[in-house]
Amino acid sequence: KAGVTQTPRYLIKTRGQQVTLSCSPISGHRSVSWYQQTPGQGLQFLFEYFSETQRNKGNFPGRFSGRQFSNSRSEMNVSTLELGDSALYLCASSIGDTSSGNTIYFGEGSWLTVV
Amino acid sequence: GQQLNQSPQSMFIQEGEDVSMNCTSSSIFNTWLWYKQDPGEGPVLLIALYKAGELTSNGRLTAQFGITRKDSFLNISASIPSDVGIYFCAGHRNSGNTPLVFGKGTRLSVIA
Repeated sequence: KAGVTQTPRYLIKTRGQQVTLSCSPISGHRSVSWYQQTPGQGLQFLFEYFSETQRNKGNFPGRFSGRQFSNSRSEMNVSTLELGDSALYLCASSIGDTSSGNTIYFGEGSWLTVV
Repeated sequence: GQQLNQSPQSMFIQEGEDVSMNCTSSSIFNTWLWYKQDPGEGPVLLIALYKAGELTSNGRLTAQFGITRKDSFLNISASIPSDVGIYFCAGHRNSGNTPLVFGKGTRLSVIA
């Protein structure tokens, strides 16, 4: 069974640009969560999507957005990139929404560097 | 958002030693999860706990769901160099539509 797949793995963007990251969940999983990981802040929850609906949202500015498609694949977008957006962005999937206690499984992440 | 109190923050141990780390919270949790993250990779699930008092092993790893439902610990026995990494605890709170909560991680270094 294939795991969570994230693309691209590495990317470099310039301040002010926008970026889109993609996540394919484990087959049969309907929930996708996104996290930002930086050395000083640990894992910060961005948002969760279940059945194409945003279920929860973390404390991030509106520049961070996401969506989920009917096949459960998800994308997140960051507009007007800032240097502080440099981080590892992790996607995780679970069978059902996480508030129901479902275990989440992470992808390898997308390393974003903003210069 | 709320994070779990995970300790220790980092530890250096000799190969062969046992390791213990824990997570505590002021809130009651329904589920505790333990993940390990290798450098440059995503966290990998080690153990999932679903009932208070539950003790679960995965090879040299043992984790327990605290009786009070406000804590959990992870033990690693007879550590080896490949145990190096960051260990995260995570939990589901017993309150409504809330996402998974993570600890800040324990960075483990093993000296051969």
